[in-house]
Amino acid sequence: DAGVTQSPTHLIKTRGQHVTLRCSPISGHKSVSWYQQVLGQGPQFIFQYYEKEERGRGNFPDRFSARQFPNYSSELNVNALLLGDSALYLCASSSSGTSETQYFGPGTRLLVL
Amino acid sequence: GEDVEQSLFLSVREGDSSVINCTYTDSSSTYLYWYKQEPGAGLQLLTYIFSNMDMKQDQRLTVLLNKKDKHLSLRIADTQTGDSAIYFCAESMRGGSYIPTFGRGTSLIVHP
Repeated sequence: DAGVTQSPTHLIKTRGQHVTLRCSPISGHKSVSWYQQVLGQGPQFIFQYYEKEERGRGNFPDRFSARQFPNYSSELNVNALLLGDSALYLCASSSSGTSETQYFGPGTRLLVL
Repeated sequence: GEDVEQSLFLSVREGDSSVINCTYTDSSSTYLYWYKQEPGAGLQLLTYIFSNMDMKQDQRLTVLLNKKDKHLSLRIADTQTGDSAIYFCAESMRGGSYIPTFGRGTSLIVHP
């Protein structure tokens, strides 16, 4: 069975641009969470979605937004990119919004120049 | 300050045991996790322990939890070069969504 998949694997953008990152959860999982991992740090929680509804939001500016589709895949959007947005963006899926375990994808590495 | 703290580096010889330590601050933590991240990859869930347990063993991995001291450790027996990676400790709390809070990670280097 396929694990969590993310696309693209790598991305280079310039300051002020917009980016969309995509995630497909494990088959049968209905919850998707997004994390930002800056080099040398642990992942920081951005959003959690369950059944297309936002269930949690971390301490990130409004430039960050996300949505979940009927097939449970998800997109993370970041507007007006800053140099500090350069990071590995990780998607994690879990079977439900209250599952104690999450399974992570390989991430999308974003570089903002 | 950080909710979860870990030492940054650990170096061991192949075949020895590795012990990676972690302290957390929130006494209402419900689950405590260990994740492994290899270079350029996402996070792999290694094991997790419920907060009413003291110990959990899974093949070469042993997790010890000291709730009084808010201390979690991961012991890897017979450490191999393939165990070289960054290990993240994380805690989560009951209350709807088990969103983990991660430490900064411990870089484990295994040398021959």
